[in-house]
Amino acid sequence: GAGVSQTPSNKVTEKGKYVELRCDPISGHTALYWYRQSLGQGPEFLIYFQGTGAADDSGLPNDRFFAVRPEGSVSTLKIQRTERGDSAVYLCASSPSHGHYTGKGRELFFGEGSRLTVL
Amino acid sequence: DQQVKQNSPSLSVQEGRISILNCDYTNSMFDYFLWYKKYPAEGPTFLISISSIKDKNEDGRFTVFLNKSAKHLSLHIVPSQPGDSAVYFCAASAGTSNTGKLIFGQGTTLQVKP
Repeated sequence: GAGVSQTPSNKVTEKGKYVELRCDPISGHTALYWYRQSLGQGPEFLIYFQGTGAADDSGLPNDRFFAVRPEGSVSTLKIQRTERGDSAVYLCASSPSHGHYTGKGRELFFGEGSRLTVL
Repeated sequence: DQQVKQNSPSLSVQEGRISILNCDYTNSMFDYFLWYKKYPAEGPTFLISISSIKDKNEDGRFTVFLNKSAKHLSLHIVPSQPGDSAVYFCAASAGTSNTGKLIFGQGTTLQVKP
């Protein structure tokens, strides 16, 4: 596809369950980011990949959260033992490279997000 | 602590008039600032950016102003159009090694009335 694709678009789960959220970045983009947006707040950085490796995971809130990008393209955000406070929209973004400068600036291309609701 | 703040949750303007969205920051290490626009059920889309070495950047109807001494930036939209109605996020980054690691404000919902 032309843009960043995220699945599922909506996920409802029960407290304590395991959840996986998938991100398919724009083809050829080497940098991939996960952000989380809670109600009434701006997106909050979680983790960044350059290629296959997690270059910065300082935003992951705790060890229940983990993300992988095994082949340097698709990424999966994994949340174990979900809690009600994990309810949010999880946004994925990609860019041609970390620190990429386009004609406009250091832009990230965001997907539409995966809305997670933990009951 | 909120390093990037948008103190106005909402703004309403008449079509054709100027919209001014404000953003304050506290981290003096920020060297790049961006504005994103977000429609409901869509991801944020990049609008305009400015480097800390500049004080103004213009792109069509959109102009961003940066006042480093006041740690304040603003987005001007002239003339405002109903299609500009969306949530606007201010974001900042620090250093070339962190350019995709953005710190976002809480957002301002702009409503442009026909």
